[in-house]
Amino acid sequence: DVKVTQSSRYLVKRTGEKVFLECVQDMDHENMFWYRQDPGLGLRLIYFSYDVKMKEKGDIPEGYSVSREKKERFSLILESASTNQTSMYLCASSFYGRAPYEQYFGPGTRLTVT
Amino acid sequence: AQSVTQLDSQVPVFEEAPVELRCNYSSSVSVYLFWYVQYPNQGLQLLLKYLSGSTLVKGINGFEAEFNKSQTSFHLRKPSVHISDTAEYFCAVSVPGGSEKLVFGKGTKLTVNP
Repeated sequence: DVKVTQSSRYLVKRTGEKVFLECVQDMDHENMFWYRQDPGLGLRLIYFSYDVKMKEKGDIPEGYSVSREKKERFSLILESASTNQTSMYLCASSFYGRAPYEQYFGPGTRLTVT
Repeated sequence: AQSVTQLDSQVPVFEEAPVELRCNYSSSVSVYLFWYVQYPNQGLQLLLKYLSGSTLVKGINGFEAEFNKSQTSFHLRKPSVHISDTAEYFCAVSVPGGSEKLVFGKGTKLTVNP
């Protein structure tokens, strides 16, 4: 079974803190994704990585950065958390070049910034 | 560019009733189609996918979907729902030979009442 794990299920941080969300997959997937999910807005892609040290901006990258130093691990960084970054964050992974590009999701991290 | 429209944001039904969740997509090329389910406080899991061939696709938990190319639709159906089907359902598309990202609809929240 594909397993995508996220470091925390629930996280509470203060405005201005630097926040790290970690995602690890055990299926040797090349592609990894970070989404945020908000009511009524569905899933919005923040960043995408298709290889170690490679990254591509998604639809809403502002206020976020990412790091991929190892194939199995993809980190999302909020340099200075703000209240409008309170959301559910979902990590996903998939094989590169293997249609139909089905993604496997982690359980999500619900982040609250106060 | 592709887009996905889920026509209903919320669908309430009674237990053992049939349900249809509607999904329309827009694309100038052929697509792969997916339905994902998200149970409360969990990540997304794949319900079913359409790649090619038979237009009727069967998935897990008794769900099925029908691909209609002329109407660019991929509606999800279940003949008799259970309380445990209460969840949010997302329709998504990807493009053969494309960017390897999924484009998601905004989701439909299905509530099954006793």
